[in-house]
Amino acid sequence: DAKTTQPNSMESNEEEPVHLPCNHSTISGTDYIHWYRQLPSQGPEYVIHGLTSNVNNRMASLAIAEDRKSSTLILHRATLRDAAVYYCILRDGNQGGKLIFGQGTELSVKP
Amino acid sequence: EPEVTQTPSHQVTQMGQEVILRCVPISNHLYFYWYRQILGQKVEFLVSFYNNEISEKSEIFDDQFSVERPDGSNFTLKIRSTKLEDSAMYFCASNERRYREKLFFGSGTQLSVL
Repeated sequence: DAKTTQPNSMESNEEEPVHLPCNHSTISGTDYIHWYRQLPSQGPEYVIHGLTSNVNNRMASLAIAEDRKSSTLILHRATLRDAAVYYCILRDGNQGGKLIFGQGTELSVKP
Repeated sequence: EPEVTQTPSHQVTQMGQEVILRCVPISNHLYFYWYRQILGQKVEFLVSFYNNEISEKSEIFDDQFSVERPDGSNFTLKIRSTKLEDSAMYFCASNERRYREKLFFGSGTQLSVL
């Protein structure tokens, strides 16, 4: 499984945008970039995923670099409820199946 | 939105005892998974299950573990003889189709082995 690198932690102020980076320099052509988050004492929760183009949904936006070696999850206006560990995961589109979680980025949001 | 349901939320057992963790995946989903998370550590894959058989398992999933879909709705994880190091949060997950689809996770069962 291709590896991703994320900062261990980040801090944000409430109602400000947050940009969570992820490096995946060994990504293959069939790997999709998935983001999940884990709120305290809860199971992981899907946030967004993409292949090549930038993606938007009601939770967040995903900006994917042109060479696909990095991506950024964007929370447009952080709320206290967005405090969680965010995981960037590569998932082979031809095989799918399991997700392999790394350590993720722990996001704290200050009021 | 539909949910994956896990019971019980907490389970306490004695070392050496058998324990069964239960999950009800989302009704039209076909692929099922178990993960675990030891306190303060990352979420670890245990096993995936499709069409009534294991499709993939990790090194953690040894002979002490088994999974079953005993009926059309439940998906269970059995640990035959629990060890202290089995203490963890166990998450069940499911998805509709394997390829590219998002996984839905339950809220977990906290297993404490004494």
